[in-house]
Amino acid sequence: DADVTQTPRNRITKTGKRIMLECSQTKGHDRMYWYRQDPGLGLRLIYYSFDVKDINKGEISDGYSVSRQAQAKFSLSLESAIPNQTALYFCATSDVKQGIEKLFFGSGTQLSVL
Amino acid sequence: GEDVEQSLFLSVREGDSSVINCTYTDSSSTYLYWYKQEPGAGLQLLTYIFSNMDMKQDQRLTVLLNKKDKHLSLRIADTQTGDSAIYFCAESIFNNNDMRFGAGTRLTVKP
Repeated sequence: DADVTQTPRNRITKTGKRIMLECSQTKGHDRMYWYRQDPGLGLRLIYYSFDVKDINKGEISDGYSVSRQAQAKFSLSLESAIPNQTALYFCATSDVKQGIEKLFFGSGTQLSVL
Repeated sequence: GEDVEQSLFLSVREGDSSVINCTYTDSSSTYLYWYKQEPGAGLQLLTYIFSNMDMKQDQRLTVLLNKKDKHLSLRIADTQTGDSAIYFCAESIFNNNDMRFGAGTRLTVKP
């Protein structure tokens, strides 16, 4: 079983719809992240959370919200989806030891907003 | 990822060496990382280097860091078709919670 699981793997939706992407992890890490990947732009950070009561905006948080329901669960919501939110979304956890931060990624959710 | 730059494509023949280059702008970077993304999968950490090192070798992988020029490279010796993937360079900044990624270099290995 994957250590970082994202659901769904693919989603097609219409402009204006509310969408939730889910992420769960079995790695026991406190830190969790949501990134989006666009061709030619790499990964950009949307939101991150260092524990259940900690939520922080990333580089591109506008139009998104998150919920950290438990240490193992971190969901991303698009309240009113728009076409330029079409992208590949990744959830990640991280472990920091001696200053080295290793990220562990889920397989991604391909979201298309029509 | 505008602070971390990579070329988008690289094509090599099987058995040749591949060199993937990356430049970064923040001199307070502490660690620099290389991640690999295979088709349909998330990124996986390949290797990393501390900013006060200039080289790290791990089997077929060699990481070179030129801190003066803020240039990082990943050399893959004896490149195989299974090395075909997108390779991302990333930097972590001291006292900053963000890890910055480059746009990724798509490596294609031809038989």
